[in-house]
Amino acid sequence: DTGVSQDPRHKITKRGQNVTFRCDPISEHNRLYWYRQTLGQGPEFLTYFQNEAQLEKSRLLSDRFSAERPKGSFSTLEIQRTEQGDSAMYLCASSLVPGRPYEQYFGPGTRLTVT
Amino acid sequence: DQQVKQNSPSLSVQEGRISILNCDYTNSMFDYFLWYKKYPAEGPTFLISISSIKDKNEDGRFTVFLNKSAKHLSLHIVPSQPGDSAVYFCAAPGARYSTLTFGKGTMLLVSP
Repeated sequence: DTGVSQDPRHKITKRGQNVTFRCDPISEHNRLYWYRQTLGQGPEFLTYFQNEAQLEKSRLLSDRFSAERPKGSFSTLEIQRTEQGDSAMYLCASSLVPGRPYEQYFGPGTRLTVT
Repeated sequence: DQQVKQNSPSLSVQEGRISILNCDYTNSMFDYFLWYKKYPAEGPTFLISISSIKDKNEDGRFTVFLNKSAKHLSLHIVPSQPGDSAVYFCAAPGARYSTLTFGKGTMLLVSP
């Protein structure tokens, strides 16, 4: 399977704990995106990387959130001191620049539940 | 400020009939539009797109129409099949084709 993969698929954590999610993009894709989706909403952009450089961050990305893509391949998204409002589906996507950067390919997501 | 709006949360259609999903946008700078389909417990999958220089794009049973003056696009599925039952999102890329702005989605249910 050469699609976007995410790990874990589900995470339940207690409020105040830290969590980390991993995303492996399609191997030849140089752009990697993180989105968050809550019930009844479309995915909302959080941040994106081109290779290892983080080029844009949404104002949704509070200082408790940090993302890395150290070698320009996989990426991690860490949430520190989780809050119940962080409960959501976290989606990763990748695309290729140049080429068709607007066609982003999504992984299955990590569903986070904060209790 | 929702720049991409899908005002119908759900749509029910009988198998074999046409499904029409609608999307409105407010940002006249958008020059490309995409439709994604999402099944439960899966990520969105790219379905079809259209550039603002066109008013129609067709791919098999799926056709997207763009009306720039009305800032409106629609996705037509003909004929609809039960496997088309999913949530459909309209999306538009931002500057430098970096982020995608999504609508809230329309849940399509195609009954046999």
